[in-house]
This record gives sequence, C-alpha cells and structure tokens, in this order.
Amino acid sequence: KAGVTQTPRYLIKTRGQQVTLSCSPISGHRSVSWYQQTPGQGLQFLFEYFSETQRNKGNFPGRFSGRQFSNSRSEMNVSTLELGDSALYLCASSLEPTGATDTQYFGPGTRLTVL
Amino acid sequence: AQSVTQLDSQVPVFEEAPVELRCNYSSSVSVYLFWYVQYPNQGLQLLLKYLSGSTLVESINGFEAEFNKSQTSFHLRKPSVHISDTAEYFCAVSDQAQGAQKLVFGQGTRLTINP
Repeated sequence: KAGVTQTPRYLIKTRGQQVTLSCSPISGHRSVSWYQQTPGQGLQFLFEYFSETQRNKGNFPGRFSGRQFSNSRSEMNVSTLELGDSALYLCASSLEPTGATDTQYFGPGTRLTVL
Repeated sequence: AQSVTQLDSQVPVFEEAPVELRCNYSSSVSVYLFWYVQYPNQGLQLLLKYLSGSTLVESINGFEAEFNKSQTSFHLRKPSVHISDTAEYFCAVSDQAQGAQKLVFGQGTRLTINP
C-alpha cells in the first residue's frame, strides 16, 4: 500500500498570501489529522477530519482551516500568511477515529517558508 | 489536557553504547503512549506504542519502552545503538476530547550517535 502523500513538498510564499496544502491518506483510511512542526513550538495539533467533518481542532487562529473530500483526501488552507507560519506541516491518517488506540501514519510533510 | 515532557533535548552517545530517552506524561488516568522517530527530512514513523497489557513494549529494531504508571513515565531504551539510529525521537500521548483523538507530543530528543 502506498503511504500518506503530501503535496507540494516545499513551498515559498510571502507575507499576506494564502496557501493550500494537500494530503492523500493511505487507501482505506478515513481519518486525517494535521500537525504543525516548528523548532520553537514543536509538534502541535491543528485539526482532524473524518467523513468530511471536522472532529477536533487545536488552538490555532481562524486563518488556519481545512476540509476533507468524499475520497478522504484533505486540504488545509492558511490565509494572510505571517512569518511565524513557516513550519513543516504534517498530515497523518488512520483507519477510523475509533478512539485513542488507532495508529496514525504520517506523511513526509510540506515545508512552508514565509518570506 | 494531557502533556508530555521529554527531559533531554539532545543525547549524544557512542556507537554500541546503551541509551535511554526519557519521557514523562501528565495524566494519571488511562493513557495510550507512543514513541515516534523522525529521520532527517522525513515525516514521523511509529516506533512502538503502549495501549494496554504488558508494560514492556518492543519495536522491531531493538528499541523497547516500559510503561510505569506510578512514575507516569514511558522511557525508551536500546541496549546497543547504531549509527543509523541517529534521528529525533518524539514521545506522544493520545488525548481524547469529545470522542475525538489527537496526539500530544513532547518537544523531542535528538539522538546523535558518534563512531
């Protein structure tokens, strides 16, 4: 089975622009979660989607949003980019959000640089 | 809310020496614990997990971790490290709120193996 794929792998944007990142989960997985990784804050949970519905959301401003499509692919969008949004954005998929026991499988990430 | 503390940000060891990466979590209620590894320029890979049962869990590449409820710890150990173990290691606890799960990560421990 192919793993979690994320596109693009690298992205450079300027302040004020918006960006959309894409994530394709492992085939059959219906839950997708997004995380932000920075040197200062470490790994922080952004949100989780299951069956096209946001089930859980981390403590991020409204500029960060996401959605999930019927084929379980997910996108996240960041509007009005700030320098502090520079980070590695990781997507993870799991079979179902049946609870805490379901293993999440991570993609390679999208490295976003905001200039 | 759950929190995770990784006590060492960097651990340098010599090849073939033993290593222990320390992890403490905050909650005393039932928890699910994970260790993930991140190799340079890659996403996270699950190393091992504790869900229930035996408090000692092992990975296929020689790492093991022991769940200690009284000390709220989940330290990762390997009796003899290899150069290829050089990576960043993240301890995580699954936090469940309103039926949805998310992973709460520690700040990471960078393991450097010297020849």
